[in-house]
Amino acid sequence: DAGVTQSPTHLIKTRGQQVTLRCSPKSGHDTVSWYQQALGQGPQFIFQYYEEEERQRGNFPDRFSGHQFPNYSSELNVNALLLGDSALYLCASSLYRGSYEQYFGPGTRLTVT
Amino acid sequence: AQSVTQLDSQVPVFEEAPVELRCNYSSSVSVYLFWYVQYPNQGLQLLLKYLSGSTLVKGINGFEAEFNKSQTSFHLRKPSVHISDTAEYFCAVNDRGSTLGRLYFGRGTQLTVWP
Repeated sequence: DAGVTQSPTHLIKTRGQQVTLRCSPKSGHDTVSWYQQALGQGPQFIFQYYEEEERQRGNFPDRFSGHQFPNYSSELNVNALLLGDSALYLCASSLYRGSYEQYFGPGTRLTVT
Repeated sequence: AQSVTQLDSQVPVFEEAPVELRCNYSSSVSVYLFWYVQYPNQGLQLLLKYLSGSTLVKGINGFEAEFNKSQTSFHLRKPSVHISDTAEYFCAVNDRGSTLGRLYFGRGTQLTVWP
């Protein structure tokens, strides 16, 4: 049974560019949440998707957007990258009706230069 | 919004010694509580969770935690640590209210076990 997978593992971008990160949830899960973990910090909630809609959003600017596909996989898009966007981006999957337990992927390390 | 405080940013201990990692959260409303572990260059792995029932919960790798509602705490303990327990530990809270599904994390505690 595959767990949560994320791609790519690492990414280097330049300020002002755009980036897309991808996530496949654990088999049987229907909800995907995205978190940003800056160096030395705990993860911060970006947003959550269920039934292809954004259900909750944390305190992140509109430069951060997402999408969920019919197969429950998800993308995180970040436009106009800033140096401060450098972080580990974690995807977590869960069941919406039992979404208190979240399973995390290995993350995508984004470096903005 | 919830606030999670992990009182120690770093905890060094010797192998086979007991350890306690402290966590306090801000809200008195009903919550779900979690401890996650993160090894270098990896994602988060769930150690244990409190949803309801007994206030003492047991998790993987010999860890346990005790939920104290009056003190809004959820401290993690292990009676005898191993070098392989060296990692970053995160306490997380899930508000059962309108933000159900969203986890609020503490800043983490780096546990270093010395031989």
